[in-house]
Amino acid sequence: SQQGEEDPQALSIQEGENATMNCSYKTSINNLQWYRQNSGRGLVHLILIRSNEREKHSGRLRVTLDTSKKSSSLLITASRAADTASYFCATDYPDKLIFGTGTRLQVFP
Amino acid sequence: EAGVAQSPRYKIIEKRQSVAFWCNPISGHATLYWYQQILGQGPKLLIQFQNNGVVDDSQLPKDRFSAERLKGVDSTLKIQPAKLEDSAVYLCASSLDVQAPRLFFGEGSRLTVL
Repeated sequence: SQQGEEDPQALSIQEGENATMNCSYKTSINNLQWYRQNSGRGLVHLILIRSNEREKHSGRLRVTLDTSKKSSSLLITASRAADTASYFCATDYPDKLIFGTGTRLQVFP
Repeated sequence: EAGVAQSPRYKIIEKRQSVAFWCNPISGHATLYWYQQILGQGPKLLIQFQNNGVVDDSQLPKDRFSAERLKGVDSTLKIQPAKLEDSAVYLCASSLDVQAPRLFFGEGSRLTVL
């Protein structure tokens, strides 16, 4: 079964708006990662946050982690049409990476 | 730096036929993974290799799926005989080692079983 579940399943926004997607997981983790997948392509690593970190930034990406709630969020600020993709959270379990169900983000120009 | 190479990109077969997918990981990456991604779902781990040894194959349907990693480098995933529900994208990924959690993915091999 999937370790993580993303919410919402799908999200549509206009360029320039912010996009927030959430991930909930079931067991204790060492770290949580976010990946992006463009249609018909492989997954690309975006960011990793460790269990002792609460927030991390990378460019227009901001990730938070709340281990007490077993949840994480990914915020993409000032979205662009090129951000259109599926986004997956992944948790170590403990020595294998388990992916969530994904959020499909559509950014309209 | 060359990425993870996979072939073929697309394959169409009839049920009960066999198919094989090939993966060449990034040079120096000790850990190699095969994931199955059904349309609209997240990737599901099938098998994980550390060098040429199997770390985890708990979700590999061993009655029809097999995988090997030759000399700790290239890997082949085989399905025989294929079923309709095997239609999916098969993604290969590699990482430096099992303790380095960032995965690098290939473009995937899309299988359609008719």
